[in-house]
Amino acid sequence: EPEVTQTPSHQVTQMGQEVILRCVPISNHLYFYWYRQILGQKVEFLVSFYNNEISEKSEIFDDRFSVERPDGSNFTLKIRSTKLEDSAMYFCASSEDHITNTEAFFGQGTRLTVV
Amino acid sequence: EDQVTQSPEALRLQEGESSSLNCSYTVSGLRGLFWYRQDPGKGPEFLFTLYSAGEEKEKERLKATLTKKESFLHITAPKPEDSATYLCAVPGTASKLTFGTGTRLQVTL
Repeated sequence: EPEVTQTPSHQVTQMGQEVILRCVPISNHLYFYWYRQILGQKVEFLVSFYNNEISEKSEIFDDRFSVERPDGSNFTLKIRSTKLEDSAMYFCASSEDHITNTEAFFGQGTRLTVV
Repeated sequence: EDQVTQSPEALRLQEGESSSLNCSYTVSGLRGLFWYRQDPGKGPEFLFTLYSAGEEKEKERLKATLTKKESFLHITAPKPEDSATYLCAVPGTASKLTFGTGTRLQVTL
């Protein structure tokens, strides 16, 4: 069964450093997303991406964050100048169509710890 | 702004003891409602999509229903392997899901 794959599963970084979280969406999907979940809190939307550009982003997605689809299969989230409050689980998701028309499938997440 | 509220926060059931989880929502125009299951340390796993009031979907021991203001996830004769956090979410726009805080379900023998 097709699935969204994320690497690494756990990333520890020092405050102020840059991190790149990687995702391989489901192959025939066209819409890509990043969400995050701080421990004990709800899943929060960060950004959506379609046709090689950002469709929508939340207030959390400030100018330290960027996304890229460098080739036909990978989708990355880069966080520059990491802060302690960036520590969270980050989930990549993908969907075939707009989420008003179909469901999104999530990866298993990358746990980011900023120390 | 879209809001999703789930209750109860936590629910403990004995194996075989049926119950329901609630998801109430406030949106400008409902464009679907999703149920996901999340195991500890894992990503949300898709369960159901409901699009219109009166719609019902079933999968094994789970049945999701939808009204104009809320959705219910009914769990019939649960087993310990049904223990998880159940999340509901609504599309706020065509490209963004707004999640509730979830209901943590524990099913004991």
